[in-house]
Amino acid sequence: AQSVTQLDSQVPVFEEAPVELRCNYSSSVSVYLFWYVQYPNQGLQLLLKYLSGSTLVESINGFEAEFNKSQTSFHLRKPSVHISDTAEYFCAVSGPYNQGGKLIFGQGTELSVKP
Amino acid sequence: DVKVTQSSRYLVKRTGEKVFLECVQDMDHENMFWYRQDPGLGLRLIYFSYDVKMKEKGDIPEGYSVSREKKERFSLILESASTNQTSMYLCASSLGALGGNIQYFGAGTRLSVL
Repeated sequence: AQSVTQLDSQVPVFEEAPVELRCNYSSSVSVYLFWYVQYPNQGLQLLLKYLSGSTLVESINGFEAEFNKSQTSFHLRKPSVHISDTAEYFCAVSGPYNQGGKLIFGQGTELSVKP
Repeated sequence: DVKVTQSSRYLVKRTGEKVFLECVQDMDHENMFWYRQDPGLGLRLIYFSYDVKMKEKGDIPEGYSVSREKKERFSLILESASTNQTSMYLCASSLGALGGNIQYFGAGTRLSVL
């Protein structure tokens, strides 16, 4: 069975500081990995994904994540955060054989960026 | 852009009422999903559907049913609403493995059961 653990429920950080949101997964088969972001009172939006190929993936707004197979991790990083990055972030795992394309989500990490 | 539309942003219902939550997607996706989101628990899958008239239970199906009569529409039904079903409900759609299992979400329906 697949599972996802987000190691921090809340991460407070000052504006322009670096941030890392941690995600570990378990799966016995090949995986797809995702980070979704949820701004207040909105649905989830895809931030970035790893399906295959390069283990380092980037988003258009400066976030990046690295697929580390040996450590079964997919941590999300940004070198300098903005107030507008305040949101909840969800890590998710799936795979090419998941029935119906199911995703397994972590419990979420609230990122709070303070001025 | 993929658009997933949930019919209501906010709903207030009374205990025992039958509640319908509607979700429509415009990308001809085979797969559709209903989740509930509660603080500290993340997203939990209620039901999903991988084809018209097909449905599968997720992790927490008790107290819910679903209907998918047309490909673009997936309805979540609370047969007799209870206060412990007060939550945020999120609908999603996906092309499945051909699309890397990427799911596209609606804006959510915040349901309060009094």
